[in-house]
Amino acid sequence: DAGVIQSPRHEVTEMGQEVTLRCKPISGHDYLFWYRQTMMRGLELLIYFNNNVPIDDSGMPEDRFSAKMPNASFSTLKIQPSEPRDSAVYFCASSLTTRTSGSEQYFGPGTRLTVT
Amino acid sequence: GQSLEQPSEVTAVEGAIVQINCTYQTSGFYGLSWYQQHDGGAPTFLSYNALDGLEETGRFSSFLSRSDSYGYLLLQELQMKDSASYFCAVRSSGTALIFGKGTTLSVSS
Repeated sequence: DAGVIQSPRHEVTEMGQEVTLRCKPISGHDYLFWYRQTMMRGLELLIYFNNNVPIDDSGMPEDRFSAKMPNASFSTLKIQPSEPRDSAVYFCASSLTTRTSGSEQYFGPGTRLTVT
Repeated sequence: GQSLEQPSEVTAVEGAIVQINCTYQTSGFYGLSWYQQHDGGAPTFLSYNALDGLEETGRFSSFLSRSDSYGYLLLQELQMKDSASYFCAVRSSGTALIFGKGTTLSVSS
């Protein structure tokens, strides 16, 4: 398996622009997670899905952030409008419930977002 | 609130043994995980403890004491490639993980 795939790997955009991050989880995994990592705040869970259904979005910082999972092999995280404080590395991860109750998560390579 | 505490930095020499501690205060507890992250890379899963005791996987071992809300990651026969950040993470409800701020391990020759 190719592992979790994320695109783009790097994104530089101007404040106010819309940003869309993409993720393809490992085939057969039933959970998908979106995280944000910064030096100040560490690794924060934004939202997670189970079988394509959003379970907990309490980590989404504001209404500017939205996430979708239209099918088992694709998810997007959208920021509109983007702000400089959104600059971070965004990770997507997936897991399988039957393995360690989903605690064994496989992370994608991340998208490094810079908003100027 | 929910919190996980781990040291910010640890240094050691090649061949040594190092222990990274993690204490947690969470509203619920189902298990403690450890992840490794190299600079510029993604976190990778190392271990998971749901019950008290020691789990061993090669050079790495992880321990959990639920009564003490405490766990640790033990790295033996340290190698330069073990230089990385190590995160403890608690599954407090559902499948979501709460991550600690990470411990940066520097291994020198």
